[in-house]
Amino acid sequence: DTEVTQTPKHLVMGMTNKKSLKCEQHMGHRAMYWYKQKAKKPPELMFVYSYEKLSINESVPSRFSPECPNSSLLNLHLHALQPEDSALYLCASSQDSLTPGLFFGSGTQLSVL
Amino acid sequence: AQSVTQLGSHVSVSEGALVLLRCNYSSSVPPYLFWYVQYPNQGLQLLLKYTTGATLVKGINGFEAEFKKSETSFHLTKPSAHMSDAAEYFCAVRGSGSARQLTFGSGTQLTVLP
Repeated sequence: DTEVTQTPKHLVMGMTNKKSLKCEQHMGHRAMYWYKQKAKKPPELMFVYSYEKLSINESVPSRFSPECPNSSLLNLHLHALQPEDSALYLCASSQDSLTPGLFFGSGTQLSVL
Repeated sequence: AQSVTQLGSHVSVSEGALVLLRCNYSSSVPPYLFWYVQYPNQGLQLLLKYTTGATLVKGINGFEAEFKKSETSFHLTKPSAHMSDAAEYFCAVRGSGSARQLTFGSGTQLTVLP
């Protein structure tokens, strides 16, 4: 299994909603990442988990809350988002945080109304 | 510090023609270099990567790239474009032996004309 699976593929939410994005990989990778990508732009790093511990938070607003329940799963909890948070949210994994080369999921297209 | 510059936000080629997508980088340490492709409404797929060793790197779908240290370049080529190559292409750099993450270029949209 060489895939990173993200659910849901599409999500529409209001500014008062609470929702979660999910990411799963079964490649035995110990580093997992959340990226945000606006249309026609490169991905921007949000969070990095290394061995289930948060190692990098790129000054992301607290309305985004990551969670890594185990080495295969990564969640992104969303609360009180703003319309400008609408974007494609990409999960990625790598063998560890030092090994070059990321495997990306297909993303969750999020729309905040 | 590291950065990536992709020359040309849009490139159009005819089907069967040579594809050349340009990438220049700057890095204070020996770099790892990558090309990713993104199809509409999809995630990023790794095309190829340079870490160490041979400077001509072959990737998937007939693409290859050459690491030229003297020119700080890592241009992506394919001898003959196919309609299915139409996509967004991102060059990325990462410092070797570093825990820091990928720095992406701004992307190049490749259009293949029939």
